[in-house]
Amino acid sequence: GQSLEQPSEVTAVEGAIVQINCTYQTSGFYGLSWYQQHDGGAPTFLSYNGLDGLEETGRFSSFLSRSDSYGYLLLQELQMKDSASYFCAAPMFSGGYNKLIFGAGTRLAVHP
Amino acid sequence: ETGVTQTPRHLVMGMTNKKSLKCEQHLGHNAMYWYKQSAKKPLELMFVYNFKEQTENNSVPSRFSPECPNSSHLFLHLHTLQPEDSALYLCASSQDATGPIEQYFGPGTRLTVT
Repeated sequence: GQSLEQPSEVTAVEGAIVQINCTYQTSGFYGLSWYQQHDGGAPTFLSYNGLDGLEETGRFSSFLSRSDSYGYLLLQELQMKDSASYFCAAPMFSGGYNKLIFGAGTRLAVHP
Repeated sequence: ETGVTQTPRHLVMGMTNKKSLKCEQHLGHNAMYWYKQSAKKPLELMFVYNFKEQTENNSVPSRFSPECPNSSHLFLHLHTLQPEDSALYLCASSQDATGPIEQYFGPGTRLTVT
């Protein structure tokens, strides 16, 4: 079946660096996305890795290793506003269209 | 502002009620999606519309009925729901369902079935 595994919770302090891992088992895999969702808010797109390696966007970076079926989201210089849930998602092309398979989400709590 | 709006934001309904959820996207996209989000579970894809045509019904019970009158509007009609249907229902859109994989989500409707 299609599944993405990620830790349920991570805690860190302001200014620190945190890494949220995602391992996947999907057929037809061709990339990994990350979404952020604040409590009561909409999931918002953060990044997409279509190729192995590191993609950097400001304080956030995302990494993919296809050989290890593994990716991670790296958040640097953590701020209180980064407290949210983070979801990895893999697009799957099926029946002539794309659909996203999501992990269950990692809840990040940033403390002073 | 994500460009995708949903109404109502909160809904409490009895098991015998009929209600509808509404989603509207202002992004000029051609694909729209309904997801169910339950606590500590992955987002579950329910329905996909691509250019107003339904391309996915992910084994969703018939008490959920989608409607897509045009590329900007999506409805989810609800009737005779069960308490386990209580969840956050999210609408999303993308350029189309065969191209880029970035989806834009609305804030969701928090549904409670009593």
